Amino acid sequence: QVQLQESGPRQVKPSQTLSLTCAVSGDSIKSGGVYWSWLRQHPEKGLEWLGHIYHSGSTDYNPSLQTRLTISVDTSRNEFSLRLTSVTAADTAKYYCARLELVVMGFDCWGQGVPVTVSS
Amino acid sequence: DIVLTQSPGTLSLSPAESATLSCRASQTVHNTHLVWYQQKLGQTPRLLIFGASRRATGIPDKFIGRGSGTNFTLSISRLEPEDFAVYFCQQYGSSPPTFGQGTKVEIK
Repeated sequence: QVQLQESGPRQVKPSQTLSLTCAVSGDSIKSGGVYWSWLRQHPEKGLEWLGHIYHSGSTDYNPSLQTRLTISVDTSRNEFSLRLTSVTAADTAKYYCARLELVVMGFDCWGQGVPVTVSS
Repeated sequence: DIVLTQSPGTLSLSPAESATLSCRASQTVHNTHLVWYQQKLGQTPRLLIFGASRRATGIPDKFIGRGSGTNFTLSISRLEPEDFAVYFCQQYGSSPPTFGQGTKVEIK
């Protein structure tokens, strides 16, 4: 059974960088046919896709965040990471890592999510 | 970006009743890459339907997805206590993938 687990700080100061890591177990991050993704959910609002990465390192980002977002992969650790720079209060949300399955074109496996607050 | 508008925002129903949820797209969703999720309070989204009408593994046939183009629906028959949740639609016919704002199905 595939499991994803996010880790990282739950509070970040404005203008600083948010860094999160997703550890994947039960599946190899080198698996074909899947993208490893980051999403977030603002309180009382819908879900927002941030970006994803293929095991080769190929990435795709939401244009709204492209200038601030970097997603990287470490195949030796079977994990991938998010780095979001210059955060503001608008980046306060619950951050999820998830697996995008390309036959389904949907997110079939999710981490539990980590709430992140941007506050001084 | 494709905007997905879900209606109604909240659906108040009694157990054993049926629900019909709507998801309308601002543009055609290519290849009917439309997915439905169920999210219970405090839990992660669970993928129910993909390709607009195909049930994911382990999803009972009480969940039926229909639609194409810009209009999609999710029907849930014989509501049970565990079906009361928030349902989201999501498209990935075009990048970036986008989500609707959700429909809450609550107990009347």
